Amino acid sequence: DIQMTQSPSSLSASVGDRVTITCRASQSINSYLNWYQQKPGKAPKVLIHAASSLQSGVPSRFSGSGSGTDFTLTISSLQPEDFATYYCQQSFSSSFTFGQGTRLEIK
Amino acid sequence: QVQLVQSGAEVKKPGASVKVSCKASGYTLTNYYMHWVRQAPGQGLEWMGIINPSGGSTSYAQKFQGRVTMTSDTSTSTVYMELGSLRSEDTAVFYCARGNYYEGRSGTLFDYWGQGTLVTVSS
Repeated sequence: DIQMTQSPSSLSASVGDRVTITCRASQSINSYLNWYQQKPGKAPKVLIHAASSLQSGVPSRFSGSGSGTDFTLTISSLQPEDFATYYCQQSFSSSFTFGQGTRLEIK
Repeated sequence: QVQLVQSGAEVKKPGASVKVSCKASGYTLTNYYMHWVRQAPGQGLEWMGIINPSGGSTSYAQKFQGRVTMTSDTSTSTVYMELGSLRSEDTAVFYCARGNYYEGRSGTLFDYWGQGTLVTVSS
């Protein structure tokens, strides 16, 4: 199975900061990479698919990049509602593996 | 609007089985695959398997092979996930999630999720 590794596992930041979360695949997944946001007690919400395509309704401060094995999610200017856990997921193989998550906390 | 509404919380004893339902509305069930995802308390997301409601074909993660069964009832637009031989480590929230394709069915994203069903396994 393809393994997905996120870094960091947790991150403290302030409102207005620019933050970047990294996701690395154990083998090339082309651009078949999704990013999800999950808030406590809620279901995940898809932010980005195909590594860099923003889902409808997602603020433009979110962006994604990468291909092959290395990917990033960037939030250009953190807002209070962005403090959550973020997961990457590959859909290159039918194991649909998720990363372990990155918890974004308020500094 | 698309909605996935799951059944309520369950408490089960070790060795028992649980069956969680996921009722879809706002779209045609048979036009999209449905996935199930497990999340243990304080842990990450774990893909369990997929069902094609049109025909009922399934594929399960190796970890759950032999213990999980996914089925669908197109007459009620509902999919089900049954997990057997429960153990305490199965205590988790289970989500159904609709799989949607992009790039000509090469890529998949989970675009709609149910609200989650907490299953507690305890003696």
